[in-house]
Amino acid sequence: DADVTQTPRNRITKTGKRIMLECSQTKGHDRMYWYRQDPGLGLRLIYYSFDVKDINKGEISDGYSVSRQAQAKFSLSLESAIPNQTALYFCATSEQGPGTGELFFGEGSRLTVL
Amino acid sequence: AQSVTQLDSQVPVFEEAPVELRCNYSSSVSVYLFWYVQYPNQGLQLLLKYLSGSTLVKGINGFEAEFNKSQTSFHLRKPSVHISDTAEYFCAVSALASGYSTLTFGKGTMLLVSP
Repeated sequence: DADVTQTPRNRITKTGKRIMLECSQTKGHDRMYWYRQDPGLGLRLIYYSFDVKDINKGEISDGYSVSRQAQAKFSLSLESAIPNQTALYFCATSEQGPGTGELFFGEGSRLTVL
Repeated sequence: AQSVTQLDSQVPVFEEAPVELRCNYSSSVSVYLFWYVQYPNQGLQLLLKYLSGSTLVKGINGFEAEFNKSQTSFHLRKPSVHISDTAEYFCAVSALASGYSTLTFGKGTMLLVSP
């Protein structure tokens, strides 16, 4: 089984719908992240959490919210999805800070908003 | 603020040929540098990283990178590529200015290895 599991792996939805992407990890890391990948734009950080009581905005948090339900679970929500949120979303974890240690990524959740 | 420029969006190469993927960063202070690889339909995984010490860093799968502070570069190299190296490669930087708490990724370089 994967150390970082994302569900769903693929989702097609309509404009205005609420969507939740879930992430769970078995690595025992405190630090968890949500990134968005768009072709030609690389990865951009949406939100990150360094422990259960800590939530921080990344560079593109508008239109998104997160919930850290437990050390192992970190969910990303789109309250009212719009077409330009169509992208590949990655959850990641790390033992140390991302700027010094290794990030461990899930396999991604591909979201299409029609 | 830190930023990363990957100069090539796509690099086609024949199997067993050498390859260099270029990465330049901009930051006025100390940096840590990383290369991540993304195989088709997978998440990213760490290839190698430079934090301090020797400027030549060796990673997995025969890749290496050299940190050049004067040229603000961290180019990735492999002397002989395989078909299985076909993937997208991302350079990333963190800087002392942010307490090394955030990682900024480049836009990626797709390495296409053909027989």
